[in-house]
Parts: sequence; structure tokens; C-alpha cells
Amino acid sequence: GQQVMQIPQYQHVQEGEDFTTYCNSSTTLSNIQWYKQRPGGHPVFLIQLVKSGEVKKQKRLTFQFGEAKKNSSLHITATQTTDVGTYFCAGEASGTYKYIFGTGTRLKVLA
Amino acid sequence: DVKVTQSSRYLVKRTGEKVFLECVQDMDHENMFWYRQDPGLGLRLIYFSYDVKMKEKGDIPEGYSVSREKKERFSLILESASTNQTSMYLCASITFSTGYEPQHFGDGTRLSIL
Repeated sequence: GQQVMQIPQYQHVQEGEDFTTYCNSSTTLSNIQWYKQRPGGHPVFLIQLVKSGEVKKQKRLTFQFGEAKKNSSLHITATQTTDVGTYFCAGEASGTYKYIFGTGTRLKVLA
Repeated sequence: DVKVTQSSRYLVKRTGEKVFLECVQDMDHENMFWYRQDPGLGLRLIYFSYDVKMKEKGDIPEGYSVSREKKERFSLILESASTNQTSMYLCASITFSTGYEPQHFGDGTRLSIL
């Protein structure tokens, strides 16, 4: 079945350093979503990518969708303590109407 | 704003009990999902439903069943609870009718089976 791998599992950075998490799917995706989950909270939607090679930015966050629509990345520039949490990607294979989540990357930012 | 409400934030049950987890959404979404979240494993899809009385198995349906009698309500049932079902359970809803939309999650139910 469809699998979505996400690396790294954990990342500790000093405040101000950059951070990247990567997502790889075993199958071609129709779209991919990114979520952030704060400790004790539920996943909150960040962004959705649909087009091959698409790049979207939200302030210090940059999201990319690979040309083959099988991989994606989230890059945070100059991390802040408010960026702490677990970041998940979730991919939908065409026509399935279900999303398969990556295992998540837990980010800790040291002040 | 979409509101997804899960009936309990914390729940403690005993092995062998039948357990019901309820989820209600207020945005008339067609699609609803039940996930369980475990450390290091992310969110794994148990069951989903794309319409009333319709259900599809996700990746880990064993030991669970679901019910969707009304559009706004999606119930997860543990037929005979076991300790390996201790987990955080998350419900989500989404509509695909307007193109690609985000999933909206409830606050989760932390279920402990003793």
C-alpha cells in the first residue's frame, strides 16, 4: 500500500538556525498537505501543494513539491521558539479521497 | 470556522469493554476520518467515510468498526478493547467538493485501556 516516509524524526536546532524536513511517497500524489502539531494540540493545517514543482512561501516557511509529485519539503528559515512542534506531511493518491500521513518531524528550538 | 468536536478528551476503559468514540462536525463535510496517533508512528488511518452509511477501511482497521448514520457524526467503535489500543485518537473532516481543502481535526481523545 501507499507509504509516506518523513525524515528526520527529530531535530534540535539553536534559535536562528534553519530547519528542513523531507517527505517521500511510494506513489505519485495528487496533492500534499503540511500540518503543524504543537505539544498537547491537534494537527493544524499549514499549506497544500498541488502542482508539480510548486513552491509556496509563508513568511519564514518555504514548501516545495517535487517534479514527480512523490516528494516534498518544508524549510524554515531562522527558527524561533514559536516554531516548536511536530510537522507532518500528508499525501493523497489520486482519487482515493484519503490522506496518508508521514511519521512526522519533531522540532525543538533551543533559545 | 469548522468545528470538529470529539466527545471525550480523556477516557479510561477496561480490557474487553466495548468502547465508543464520537465525533461531530458542523460544516456539512462529506468526508470524515478516524486516525490513531502513537509516538514515532505519526497518524495512521483507521477508517474513513465519504458519505452517510458509507465506510472504507484505512491502514489499520483490525479491532475497530465505525458508524455513520448522520452526515455530521462519525463514531469509532472498539468491539472488545485491548491494551494495544491505548492511544490518542483523532477525528477529522474534509470536503472535496470545492477542490482541495484542509482537513479539520478535533482535539483528540486520549484513550487508556487497562
